[in-house]
Amino acid sequence: GQQLNQSPQSMFIQEGEDVSMNCTSSSIFNTWLWYKQDPGEGPVLLIALYKAGELTSNGRLTAQFGITRKDSFLNISASIPSDVGIYFCAGLNYGGSQGNLIFGKGTKLSVKP
Amino acid sequence: NAGVTQTPKFRVLKTGQSMTLLCAQDMNHEYMYWYRQDPGMGLRLIHYSVGEGTTAKGEVPDGYNVSRLKKQNFLLGLESAAPSQTSVYFCASSSSGGALRGYTFGSGTRLTVV
Repeated sequence: GQQLNQSPQSMFIQEGEDVSMNCTSSSIFNTWLWYKQDPGEGPVLLIALYKAGELTSNGRLTAQFGITRKDSFLNISASIPSDVGIYFCAGLNYGGSQGNLIFGKGTKLSVKP
Repeated sequence: NAGVTQTPKFRVLKTGQSMTLLCAQDMNHEYMYWYRQDPGMGLRLIHYSVGEGTTAKGEVPDGYNVSRLKKQNFLLGLESAAPSQTSVYFCASSSSGGALRGYTFGSGTRLTVV
């Protein structure tokens, strides 16, 4: 089946640093979504992308829909402690399995000790 | 505006016991989903529903059953719990048009089977 490869699996941040993560697939997707999950909570939608090449921001977060439609990127600028959590990418291929979202395995952001 | 509400939030079961997890949404969404989340595995789809009275299997349906008798509710049942079903379960919903605008998730049910 379709899979999304999300990297890195985990990373440590220091307050003020910029953070980058990405999601790749061997399949084409028509929609890319980025979610954040805080500890003990469900994922919350951060950004939705609907067109190849699209660049969308939500505060300090910026996401891009890759031009090949097989990847997406999320950047967080000037990170703060409340950015810790798990970030999931999700893709939708209208021709895929009943149009359900496919989720990556997540990138876990933690604070540097 | 409650969104998606899951009950219970925590549960401990003995192997072989049965239970039902309840998901309720107040957004008049057509589509509802049940996922399980395990460390390093991300979110895996168990079952989903595209409307009242309909259900379909997802990626990992074995050992679970679901029902959607009312549009706002989606129930996940474990008939005979096994330790492998220890997980965090999330319910989600989306408006008609499927996943185009993303899912709204509940806050999860943490289930431990001993």
